[in-house]
Amino acid sequence: GQSLEQPSEVTAVEGAIVQINCTYQTSGFYGLSWYQQHDGGAPTFLSYNALDGLEETGRFSSFLSRSDSYGYLLLQELQMKDSASYFCAVRDREFVNTGFQKLVFGTGTRLLVSP
Amino acid sequence: GAVVSQHPSWVICKSGTSVKIECRSLDFQATTMFWYRQFPKQSLMLMATSNEGSKATYEQGVEKDKFLINHASLTLSTLTVTSAHPEDSSFYICSARDLLVAGTYNEQFFGPGTRLTVL
Repeated sequence: GQSLEQPSEVTAVEGAIVQINCTYQTSGFYGLSWYQQHDGGAPTFLSYNALDGLEETGRFSSFLSRSDSYGYLLLQELQMKDSASYFCAVRDREFVNTGFQKLVFGTGTRLLVSP
Repeated sequence: GAVVSQHPSWVICKSGTSVKIECRSLDFQATTMFWYRQFPKQSLMLMATSNEGSKATYEQGVEKDKFLINHASLTLSTLTVTSAHPEDSSFYICSARDLLVAGTYNEQFFGPGTRLTVL
């Protein structure tokens, strides 16, 4: 079967650094994405890794190790507005010419940032 | 940037009625749109992939006769929940991909979601 496991909840204080891990087991793999979702809102794209290594986008960084089927999202200089749910997602099917792809989402991690 | 809208943002209906949810890509064309369902504090589950001008592809376990999908144009897909029951109450989210940037890291853009409550 397909599974993407994440910690259910992480707490941290403003200004801190937090890492959210994701381990996956999927039938196919065309990249690992990270999304942020505030309560009642739409998921918003944060980061994408197709190859091993670290991708940095401002305060957010994402890491991928395909050999370990593992990735993480690193959030630095935490702010209160970062309190949200974070999902990793694997693109497990991809047909570039038609736009078809399938995103399989992780279990989600709820991040609570306190003052 | 790419914007996806959904209408309505929330709906309450009686058991047995049908509800239609619209998903529009506002500033780009989307040959393919995706419909997800999310129960409270749970992950997003892909229900079906909607292809313009052809039948939708449903994920295993999703009843295609209950969740009717129509992708009439490159900017509009609709999901109709037929004969809705309380267990269908959920957050329904659509997403679309801008084919002009297909092949880059640009991911799916998600709509704001529609919260369906069936009484």
